Amino acid sequence: GAVVSQHPSRVICKSGTSVKIECRSLDFQATTMFWYRQFPKQSLMLMATSNEGSKATYEQGVEKDKFLINHASLTLSTLTVTSAHPEDSSFYICSADHRDSSYNEQFFGPGTRLTVL
Amino acid sequence: QQQVKQSPQSLIVQKGGISIINCAYENTAFDYFPWYQQFPGKGPALLIAIRPDVSEKKEGRFTISFNKSAKQFSLHIMDSQPGDSATYFCAASIPNNNDMRFGAGTRLTVKP
Repeated sequence: GAVVSQHPSRVICKSGTSVKIECRSLDFQATTMFWYRQFPKQSLMLMATSNEGSKATYEQGVEKDKFLINHASLTLSTLTVTSAHPEDSSFYICSADHRDSSYNEQFFGPGTRLTVL
Repeated sequence: QQQVKQSPQSLIVQKGGISIINCAYENTAFDYFPWYQQFPGKGPALLIAIRPDVSEKKEGRFTISFNKSAKQFSLHIMDSQPGDSATYFCAASIPNNNDMRFGAGTRLTVKP
């Protein structure tokens, strides 16, 4: 149980285009979903936290107009990178907080490799 | 501000040896301490986790040791195998707060 999927697994796009990444909790309902960014050989950097039906909370330094987050249901959150540029190339990982868990357990998706040309 | 400090940055261990990764934290409000294992190109996977009401938790070859007074916790991998070669992250979170803070990661290499 507690499986989180992401789609697509990798995407290559041209500079200036927008890219949407989906994050789904497959067998549980998630109270909260999180979006992380990870550069090579570095730790996970939290970008934003989203709850179903409400606006996402962005970490300091993360542009909310560039990284649009929509948390449509208890099992789906999307991250849209708008007007992507090469510096946005990174590994984006989502996670979900199990609704029925009494602890702050986060289950991670497999990640999406974004390459902006 | 790095709330969870992890060391070493990289670790090389012979097959069959013990791998030890350490983490220290500042915020005494943290009450959940998970360890994640990440293989290249994959998302992190929860390996084992501990709450501060116990000093040790063991699952198979993986053990967490927790020292509340020192605000430190560590991951021990017994009988390390080449398949354990991955990056390991410690983390900590506060109750009723979805904010989880990660350590910088330790790249473990187990040589055959």
